[in-house]
Amino acid sequence: EAGVAQSPRYKIIEKRQSVAFWCNPISGHATLYWYQQILGQGPKLLIQFQNNGVVDDSQLPKDRFSAERLKGVDSTLKIQPAKLEDSAVYLCASSPRLAGFTDTQYFGPGTRLTVL
Amino acid sequence: AQSVTQLGSHVSVSEGALVLLRCNYSSSVPPYLFWYVQYPNQGLQLLLKYTTGATLVKGINGFEAEFKKSETSFHLTKPSAHMSDAAEYFCAVSGNQFYFGTGTSLTVIP
Repeated sequence: EAGVAQSPRYKIIEKRQSVAFWCNPISGHATLYWYQQILGQGPKLLIQFQNNGVVDDSQLPKDRFSAERLKGVDSTLKIQPAKLEDSAVYLCASSPRLAGFTDTQYFGPGTRLTVL
Repeated sequence: AQSVTQLGSHVSVSEGALVLLRCNYSSSVPPYLFWYVQYPNQGLQLLLKYTTGATLVKGINGFEAEFKKSETSFHLTKPSAHMSDAAEYFCAVSGNQFYFGTGTSLTVIP
């Protein structure tokens, strides 16, 4: 079974530029999550999708971050414009069921973003 | 609301020694508790989780954790450390949200 795929693995941009990350979850998984992991901290949930609907985006900075999950499969996370404090690893995860936060999550390798 | 506190951001043990990583949680609803491991430049991998039922949970790679409601703890243990256990370990709690702790970096000394 293929795991969660993310691209790119690394991205360097200057502040005020835009950037997008892509995630392909495990086939058949209903729920998809995006996390932000700042160096030295635990991952922080940004947004959770169940199929193609948003369940929780309470910690997503909506003035600059946006995310979508088209057709309930792939997802993109966009930052526009980027700030220095957005430097982090962005992790995508998926879980099989529509089970809120109780299901096991399977993580991708992450995208390391550096904002200069 | 939920939260987790991991005591000790860095833990060092000798190869073959007991591994003990501490996690305390706070939750206003019955919690689900998780331990994840993160190897360098990789995503997180589930070690074990507590949902309901038996309070001693066994996971992969010889790890186990015990849910102690009276102490609001979910400490991770392994009887004998291997070099391959060196990694970052995260405790997490879920209820109506999902929160990771700040992580504990485990170093295994040969």
